[in-house]
Amino acid sequence: EIVLTQSPATLSLSPGERATLSCRASQSVGSYLAWYQHKPGQAPRLLIYDAFARATGIPARLSGSGSGTDFTLTISSLEPEDFAVYYCQQRSNWPFTFGGGTKVEIK
Amino acid sequence: QVQLVESGGGLVKPGGSLRLSCAASGFTFSDYYMSWVRQAPGQGLKWVSYISSSGSNIYYADSVKGRFTISRDNAKNSLYLQMNNLRAEDTALYYCARDMFPKSRSGLPDYWGQGTLVTVSS
Repeated sequence: EIVLTQSPATLSLSPGERATLSCRASQSVGSYLAWYQHKPGQAPRLLIYDAFARATGIPARLSGSGSGTDFTLTISSLEPEDFAVYYCQQRSNWPFTFGGGTKVEIK
Repeated sequence: QVQLVESGGGLVKPGGSLRLSCAASGFTFSDYYMSWVRQAPGQGLKWVSYISSSGSNIYYADSVKGRFTISRDNAKNSLYLQMNNLRAEDTALYYCARDMFPKSRSGLPDYWGQGTLVTVSS
């Protein structure tokens, strides 16, 4: 099973600041890495797939990069609606797996 | 618009059974792979099971293999998860999710339901 390790566990930032979230895979997943946003009481929302492609309706302030084992989700300037938990997910091999999550909280 | 509505969750004793359902609408259900993903209290997301558009290819997480059965009825636009021999560690919010790309095994859910809560406790 491919293990995804996300860091940091919690990111405390203010609106307008830049957020950089990391996801490291225990073995190469190629570019088959996605990012999801999850808020309490809501369904997870697909943000980025295949490492850098934005899903429909996702603003340009969110961007993904990386390949192989190291990936990054960047939010260039945090908006109030961006404070949430973010998960990376690999679809390279079954079982598909998620990382443990990074909580982006208001400082 | 795409809608996924889960039902069937509840409180069950260890060793008991539950059948979850997911009613799909707003898209051609028979074209898409579907998943069950769960979130235990205070924890992250974990894939439970995955089924091809026709139902002929099925995948399970090791933790549920032999106890859970995923199925679908394309005529009824419905996805199911039969859960037997439930354990305390199966307590979670169970989400139904649709793959992003039709007619392919993408492993990329783009639409999710709101989830149904399963609690396993004596």
